[in-house]
Amino acid sequence: GAVVSQHPSRVICKSGTSVKIECRSLDFQATTMFWYRQFPKQSLMLMATSNEGSKATYEQGVEKDKFLINHASLTLSTLTVTSAHPEDSSFYICSARVTEWDTQYFGPGTRLTVL
Amino acid sequence: DAKTTQPPSMDCAEGRAANLPCNHSTISGNEYVYWYRQIHSQGPQYIIHGLKNNETNEMASLIITEDRKSSTLILPHATLRDTAVYYCIVRAGQGKVIFGPGTSLSVIP
Repeated sequence: GAVVSQHPSRVICKSGTSVKIECRSLDFQATTMFWYRQFPKQSLMLMATSNEGSKATYEQGVEKDKFLINHASLTLSTLTVTSAHPEDSSFYICSARVTEWDTQYFGPGTRLTVL
Repeated sequence: DAKTTQPPSMDCAEGRAANLPCNHSTISGNEYVYWYRQIHSQGPQYIIHGLKNNETNEMASLIITEDRKSSTLILPHATLRDTAVYYCIVRAGQGKVIFGPGTSLSVIP
């Protein structure tokens, strides 16, 4: 299957700082990538849809100025959590859609802890 | 996208077949049934998908009823490594993958 990577796998930061998470499709091009967030013992929640070369589409209730998404190439999307606070601590997961198969493949996730 | 209903949890003996049901009574004609699983602290893993025919791959089999209102994911010989949360999702071709609570499968030695 298609491989999606995320970096870093784990990050700890101080409150008020910004954190960037990278999502890469390693062996295919993805015109569309997605960002999810998962709190402990809960299911994944879709945050936004990222399209290469255009602005991301955010789900209701997700602050676009806080969660900045950039999809500058067909293999890379980044999520920046700006001015992070402890309540932003979560498991962030990206996925990329293989257009010709129309199947989404997921990255391994990034564990963010804000102190 | 149509909603799905899954049992919150199931147990299965190691070596036996695990049959995970999913109801999707409001599925539309152009919506596929997808199955993913998530092992603790990892990203979801794609398992299988289908439209109306039964499907089989190296991981599992997917049985879809003739009216397409329900489906069953079958893991033919469950191992301890199959312990995970299994998500049944229905979506049209370009639709988003929206996760419900899924079924927590515990494979017991």
